[in-house]
Amino acid sequence: EAGVTQFPSHSVIEKGQTVTLRCDPISGHDNLYWYRRVMGKEIKFLLHFVKESKQDESGMPNNRFLAERTGGTYSTLKVQPAELEDSGVYFCASSQGLGRGINNEQFFGPGTRLTVL
Amino acid sequence: EDKVVQSPLSLVVHEGDTVTLNCSYEVTNFRSLLWYKQEKKAPTFLFMLTSSGIEKKSGRLSSILDKKELSSILNITATQTGDSAIYLCAVKKGYTGTASKLTFGTGTRLQVTL
Repeated sequence: EAGVTQFPSHSVIEKGQTVTLRCDPISGHDNLYWYRRVMGKEIKFLLHFVKESKQDESGMPNNRFLAERTGGTYSTLKVQPAELEDSGVYFCASSQGLGRGINNEQFFGPGTRLTVL
Repeated sequence: EDKVVQSPLSLVVHEGDTVTLNCSYEVTNFRSLLWYKQEKKAPTFLFMLTSSGIEKKSGRLSSILDKKELSSILNITATQTGDSAIYLCAVKKGYTGTASKLTFGTGTRLQVTL
């Protein structure tokens, strides 16, 4: 079974540019999560999809971040325009189960390292 | 605000030593505590603990939850160089509309030397 995949593995952009990160969850997983680790800090939750619906987007930093999961399969996270403080590693995770997937473990992807210069 | 604290931040041991990593939490509506191992890229799942006092084991790794003390420990016996990694503790909250997100600690960086 293929794991969670993310693309690209590393992106370097200039301040003000746009970047789109992609996550492909494990096939059949309804729950998809985005997290971010800024250097020196802990991994922090950004948002949670159940199929194509946003279940919880309380962790999204501001309206420069837009996440989509059309069709309930892969997801994209767009940052527009990027700022210096957006640099970090963006992780995607997925888990089984309908609804809230309370007891299902989350499988993480390798992350996308975003560097904003 | 929910908080997960891990200690120590960093640890260097010799191969064969036994280590204990700590995680304490302050969250409302606690549901479960998870341990992950992160080597180069993706954090990989180790344990999920929901009930207090029940030890979970996988090979040389074991973990236990103490809900009275709001803490958990991860033990690794007879450490090997392949155990070198960042160990992450995360907490999942209970049955609410925002139930599934994980709140992470900063991790413990373990280095096992020959």
